[in-house]
Amino acid sequence: KQEVTQIPAALSVPEGENLVLNCSFTDSAIYNLQWFRQDPGKGLTSLLLIQSSQREQTSGRLNASLDKSSGRSTLYIAASQPGDSATYLCAVRDPDSNSGYALNFGKGTSLLVTP
Amino acid sequence: SQTIHQWPATLVQPVGSPLSLECTVEGTSNPNLYWYRQAAGRGLQLLFYSVGIGQISSEVPQNLSASRPQDRQFILSSKKLLLSDSGFYLCAWRTGLAKNIQYFGAGTRLSVL
Repeated sequence: KQEVTQIPAALSVPEGENLVLNCSFTDSAIYNLQWFRQDPGKGLTSLLLIQSSQREQTSGRLNASLDKSSGRSTLYIAASQPGDSATYLCAVRDPDSNSGYALNFGKGTSLLVTP
Repeated sequence: SQTIHQWPATLVQPVGSPLSLECTVEGTSNPNLYWYRQAAGRGLQLLFYSVGIGQISSEVPQNLSASRPQDRQFILSSKKLLLSDSGFYLCAWRTGLAKNIQYFGAGTRLSVL
């Protein structure tokens, strides 16, 4: 069974710093990997999706990389802002359809960017 | 554009009471639909998924059930809630298009007291 782990569980940084969030998964046979943002008490917002054949995706100040062979992904946030404070979730989709192509989630990294 | 609606946003229910959470999707047809739960200190856990009307698959044994009476409607139910049913419930959908991205509703915070 696919296990997804996110490190660190929580992170506090001053505004302006660049930071890296880590995600690892136990089964490298994934179809894609998705990074989400969750604000307190809210639903999930998709940030970046990386297909298994891709190495990275970029959106604004966000860059996500994927190393499928080692079972790792990183989310890089440049020049962090207080508005980036949220929980960041990593999720992988396995290639088979046994669960209707559902996602396997990590527990998330809670990020606090202080002014 | 596609939209997903989930209600209610918050719910406080006594132990033993029934539950009905509803999720509807607009702007797409024949989506895969999902119910996830996020319990305190745990990651998002898949509860049910549906690939079509009347087709429900359960991922974990539990006190809950799901139904899909219409193509774009997904309902999560319980006849008698347990304390352990407390959590944040999220509905999601996907199609084969849009790079297989899953889209999530705003969630329902359920507290069973």
